[in-house]
Amino acid sequence: DGGITQSPKYLFRKEGQNVTLSCEQNLNHDAMYWYRQDPGQGLRLIYYSQIVNDFQKGDIAEGYSVSREKKESFPLTVTSAQKNPTAFYLCASSMGLGLETQYFGPGTRLLVL
Amino acid sequence: AQKITQTQPGMFVQEKEAVTLDCTYDTSDQSYGLFWYKQPSSGEMIFLIYQGSYDEQNATEGRYSLNFQKARKSANLVISASQLGDSAMYFCAMSKNYGQNFVFGPGTRLSVLP
Repeated sequence: DGGITQSPKYLFRKEGQNVTLSCEQNLNHDAMYWYRQDPGQGLRLIYYSQIVNDFQKGDIAEGYSVSREKKESFPLTVTSAQKNPTAFYLCASSMGLGLETQYFGPGTRLLVL
Repeated sequence: AQKITQTQPGMFVQEKEAVTLDCTYDTSDQSYGLFWYKQPSSGEMIFLIYQGSYDEQNATEGRYSLNFQKARKSANLVISASQLGDSAMYFCAMSKNYGQNFVFGPGTRLSVLP
């Protein structure tokens, strides 16, 4: 079955530590996205990638970094510069940008110790 | 800039009844798309239905239909014959026909009562 997987489901970060969230898709989609969701709120775009080896900042990119070395994978690193990282992180993919439907993974919940 | 407004933070509906979730949007673009997603307590965002700005007919997908009123800039989701499993957060979202500008509304929490 085609879909999007995210791991881990829960992640704990210590102060000053970088952590990486995994996102893999087997839908053969070109575009991938990372969103952050805070409790009781909608989604905010962190980064997106239209194609391999290319990515763009979204609305709240500060304190985050990404890479897109393979079409199937779009990992997100939460760096120590992100002072309030506790949130629910959702990865999505679509055939392309614009009017294409985005399909989402199950999410990773990040908590700070 | 694009903006999505969902004015109902929470809604209740009796099982087997229909319910309408409101969504209004603001854009200066002529070509855009409107989406509805369901987010159950597990957290995953589930795509429900899509309406293109040039589509003349309202979109339907099973028990879901989208009441698209372009002049009013509204894209309300109608769920017919509500089921207990429909209890979730529902998000309206919009994209435009180039670049990346997928914008989500704040969501509406729907509770279906037995």
